[in-house]
Amino acid sequence: EVQLVDSGGGLVKPGRSLRLSCTGSGFTFGDYAMSWFRQAPGKGLEWVGFIRSKTYGGPIEYAASVKGRFTISRDDSKSIAYLEMNSLKTEDTAVYYCARGISWNYSFDSWGQGTLVTVSS
Amino acid sequence: QSALTQPASVSGSPGQSIIISCTGSSGDVGSYNLVSWYQQQPGKVPKFLIYEVNKRPSGVSNRFSGSKSGSTASLTISGLQADDEADYYCCSYAGGSTFVFGTGTTVNVL
Repeated sequence: EVQLVDSGGGLVKPGRSLRLSCTGSGFTFGDYAMSWFRQAPGKGLEWVGFIRSKTYGGPIEYAASVKGRFTISRDDSKSIAYLEMNSLKTEDTAVYYCARGISWNYSFDSWGQGTLVTVSS
Repeated sequence: QSALTQPASVSGSPGQSIIISCTGSSGDVGSYNLVSWYQQQPGKVPKFLIYEVNKRPSGVSNRFSGSKSGSTASLTISGLQADDEADYYCCSYAGGSTFVFGTGTTVNVL
């Protein structure tokens, strides 16, 4: 069974950093793209960033709202994708989800349970 | 990267059909047949419903169907059931490995 587990969320002060992890199991992690999304309290889903599998290659892309502050990476040997968040702002407060991406049709078929990031002084 | 426009809410009675629209632009929905749809029930994780405009993943009920005309995609739910009460989001590829989501639609079953 495909499973994604999000972790690393918590309370952090504005301007600080936090790293989220997304651990996959039940599939060959390195064969898939991974993406991060977020959902602010009571709001809709927002795409954060996308990293392809090494097979497909290509640049890592980010939403304009996080570009330059957030970095996505992956360690296929550990089946983990990371979201490094720097210079956090109060408006980054949200539940963050990772999802497995299907590179050839750009959809997201399995999602982690989400991890809450609260940015507050 | 402006969000795709969806109606805030759509309501229907059990057994009826409803349609949720998702309007984008020539830079996203209008240029790519790469629209997907997700269902998010209260307090739950998004669930994958539709990909490539109108294809259903294995295990998704055939009561859910998708279509597209120009820069507007649509999700139709037929034979509406109480369990269909949820928020629904469209998502479109927008080129260069970027994506844009819809504003979300709450479906109410009367």
